Amino acid sequence: QLQESGPGLVKPSETLSLTCTVSGGSITSYYWSWIRQPPGEGLEWIGYISYSGSTNYNPSLKSRVTISVDTSKNQFSLRLSSVTAADTAVYYCARRDGSYYYHWGQGTLVTVSS
Amino acid sequence: EIVLTQSPGTLSLSPGERATLSCRASQSVSSNYLAWYQQKPGQAPRLLIYDASTRSVGIPDRFSGSASGTDFTLTISRLEPEDFAVYYCQQYGSSPMYTFGQGTKLEIK
Repeated sequence: QLQESGPGLVKPSETLSLTCTVSGGSITSYYWSWIRQPPGEGLEWIGYISYSGSTNYNPSLKSRVTISVDTSKNQFSLRLSSVTAADTAVYYCARRDGSYYYHWGQGTLVTVSS
Repeated sequence: EIVLTQSPGTLSLSPGERATLSCRASQSVSSNYLAWYQQKPGQAPRLLIYDASTRSVGIPDRFSGSASGTDFTLTISRLEPEDFAVYYCQQYGSSPMYTFGQGTKLEIK
């Protein structure tokens, strides 16, 4: 199971920070992703990280995104800097299963507003 | 970047009818790495099909996927009430490594 956690409200220009806790299995041996969905819109892939720390980001967000992993806590995290209202979305963590995503968290809504 | 264009935007059908959803890629999709997801309000997407035509675990056989060049199709042979949802296609392989279509809403007529 995957569970997202973090603030539901972030101010413009600040940094959005979310954590995904993996339970029922080890975070090692898999790649882990963040995917977001603005309200009423489609899905956007943000990036992934391996258990060893190698990353791959969406070029459209690359300058603002950092994904990190803490294997001791079975967690991985997302940081998105300089947020604007356009970053308001439901953020999902998911386990990369090769070419697709089978395991998803329930999602957490993050609103960017002053 | 590979752009996935889904059609129609909205499909209105009745239970028992056949649904055909389209996903067209702007260029070739690597090894037919194309997946389909179903999403209901307030829920995370659910994987239905991967590698264009392989059903995911526990997915009923009324769901099927096919590919022809850059055109991909999700077919639901006989709609059940629980099938009315939004459907997304997703490709893997081209930077950005994963992209999604804009979705098709399947609604009850």
